[in-house]
Amino acid sequence: NAGVMQNPRHLVRRRGQEARLRCSPMKGHSHVYWYRQLPEEGLKFMVYLQKENIIDESGMPKERFSAEFPKEGPSILRIQQVVRGDSAAYFCASSTDRRGPNEKLFFGSGTQLSVL
Amino acid sequence: AQSVTQLDSHVSVSEGTPVLLRCNYSSSYSPSLFWYVQHPNKGLQLLLKYTSAATLVKGINGFEAEFKKSETSFHLTKPSAHMSDAAEYFCVVSGGGLTGGGNKLTFGTGTQLKVEL
Repeated sequence: NAGVMQNPRHLVRRRGQEARLRCSPMKGHSHVYWYRQLPEEGLKFMVYLQKENIIDESGMPKERFSAEFPKEGPSILRIQQVVRGDSAAYFCASSTDRRGPNEKLFFGSGTQLSVL
Repeated sequence: AQSVTQLDSHVSVSEGTPVLLRCNYSSSYSPSLFWYVQHPNKGLQLLLKYTSAATLVKGINGFEAEFKKSETSFHLTKPSAHMSDAAEYFCVVSGGGLTGGGNKLTFGTGTQLKVEL
C-alpha cells in the first residue's frame, strides 16, 4: 500500500507564474489536509478537504491560493501569480473517514516550492 | 484556540546519553498531543500520540512522552540516543477549528536534534 504521494518533489517558478502541487492520498483515504512549512517555522494548517468538498479553509490565504479534491484524481493545491514569499515546503496528509481519537494522519514527503 | 511551544530550537547530545525535547501546550479543548519526526528530505512520521488514555505514552524507536496536565507539558524522552535519531522533531496539538475538532493540527516550530559520537 503506497503512502501519501506528492509531486513534484521540487518545483521552481518565477514570480507571476502558477504553481500546481498534487497529492494522492493513501488508498482508502477520503480526507486530505494541506500544510505549509515556511523556513524556520513549524507546519501551519492551510485547508482540509473531503472528496469534492472543502471542509475547512481557515488557513488559506485569501487571494491566489485554491485547493480542490475531485471525485477522481489527486488533490491539487494551486497558487496563482506566485511571489517569493510563497517559497516553502508544502505537505499533504490524508486520513480515513473515521473520526475520533484513533484517526491518524499520514503525511507525504512534501513539495518544495522555490520562487525565483 | 490552541498553541504549542517547543522550548529548544536545537538540542545536541552524545550517542548513548538521554534525550529530552521539551514541549508546552495550550488548548481550550481536551487536547490530543503528538510528536512527529522529520528526517532530511523525508515526510513526517508519527512517533507517538496522547489521546486521554494513559499519561505515559510509548512510541516507536524507544521514544516516550508524558502528559502532565498540571504543567501543560508533553516532553519527549529517550533513555539512550542513537545516531539515527538525528532529525527534526515537532510537537503537535490537535483539535479546534471549524470542524470542532477532528484533525486540524497545530505544529510547534520544531527542535533539531543533533547526535554526536
